[in-house]
Order: sequence, then C-alpha cells, then structure tokens
Amino acid sequence: AQKVTQAQTEISVVEKEDVTLDCVYETRDTTYYLFWYKQPPSGELVFLIRRNSFDEQNEISGRYSWNFQKSTSSFNFTITASQVVDSAVYFCALSVGLRWAGSYQLTFGKGTKLSVIP
Amino acid sequence: DAGVIQSPRHEVTEMGQEVTLRCKPISGHDYLFWYRQTMMRGLELLIYFNNNVPIDDSGMPEDRFSAKMPNASFSTLKIQPSEPRDSAVYFCASSLALPGLNSYNSPLHFGNGTRLTVT
Repeated sequence: AQKVTQAQTEISVVEKEDVTLDCVYETRDTTYYLFWYKQPPSGELVFLIRRNSFDEQNEISGRYSWNFQKSTSSFNFTITASQVVDSAVYFCALSVGLRWAGSYQLTFGKGTKLSVIP
Repeated sequence: DAGVIQSPRHEVTEMGQEVTLRCKPISGHDYLFWYRQTMMRGLELLIYFNNNVPIDDSGMPEDRFSAKMPNASFSTLKIQPSEPRDSAVYFCASSLALPGLNSYNSPLHFGNGTRLTVT
C-alpha cells in the first residue's frame, strides 16, 4: 500500500522567511511519481510540480524549490522569502500503478496549512 | 480555456435526502476523477473514469454513493440517502492521461469543489 505523510499539520511564518514543507512517502513500486498541489483559501487545488522516481534532480521555480531524496523517501518543498499570497494548504501526492489504468492509485497526504503573517 | 466546472458550489441538505453533484471536465481530457476531502481523512479518491467508463470505484465508501459519466463532458456523483458523515468537500478533476504516466503535461486539473453539508 502507498502512503504519504505530511507530518506538519500547520506552519506559521513571518513574511520573507523561508519555509520548508516536509513530505515522506512509502511505496514498493520502483516507478512512481510525486506531486505537490496548492489549495489557497478559495478552495481550488492547483498543480505545482510533478517529479518521477528516476529523476532526483532538485528543481527550482522562482521562489519555490523541491528536494527529492530517494534515500530518505522524501520530497520536500521550500518557499523562499515567503509572501502572504503563499498562505494555503499544500498537498503532497504519490502516484503508482502506471502499467495499466485499472491499477492506478494517486494517494494524497493530509496537507500542511501554511500561514504567512505580514 | 475553461477549467473543470463543478456545481453546485455549496450544498446544504437534510439527512436522508438525495444529493447530486455535477462535473464538467476539461474538453479533450480522457480521465475524470472524483475526490472527497475531509479534515480527518484528507483527500480520498472515490472513483475515476477513462473515456466515460468507470475504471476503479474501490474508493466509493458505500452503496449509497454512485457515479456516472453518460458522456465525455458530464459526470455526476450521487449520494442517496445522504448522512451527516458525508459532509465534506467533493472535488472533480480531469486529466489528459493518468497523472504521472507518459506526458509531462498531464497533471490533474481540479474543479473548485462542492462543499456538502448534511444536517
């Protein structure tokens, strides 16, 4: 069975601070994909990034960066110089079972609520 | 392009009533997913369709839940009879392919969700 753990339920930071959201996953599959989604207060879910299990390169997109480490089964998300607009719930997700549609699973963590205080 | 459209945005109903949630996926997307979000359980996959055919409904909690996709542009999730524990936000999502498979650009596109309150 697959599992995604986001141990931080809520985090509060002051604007301009850096913040890292942790994500630890469990799977026996060797081929899998990891995702981060953002859910702002308005409620919609927004795709941020996808990373496959064969690509451990870290990725940076503006103030966002992701650190994928297979050795620790972690896919952490860092926001640099946080802003109030970053306040949201962030979900980490894992997809496995990609050989055929019938075995597909996408498992979400329970989310981390980030509050950026002005 | 219009995103995934869900209706209603909010639904308040009494226990025992039938509830129907609606979803219009992004045109051209072959996959449609229904998720439920609660504080206790987070985001759970209820069911997903490929080309209008239900592929995996193992996440549907009970027989009170049913989902249909009569055509490529419309899906419904029905709860009959509804119970207070069904109160949650229900998301519909669509994608070109299974997220994570093949195309890099096949993430899930979520609708804004339907907040269901059963009293």
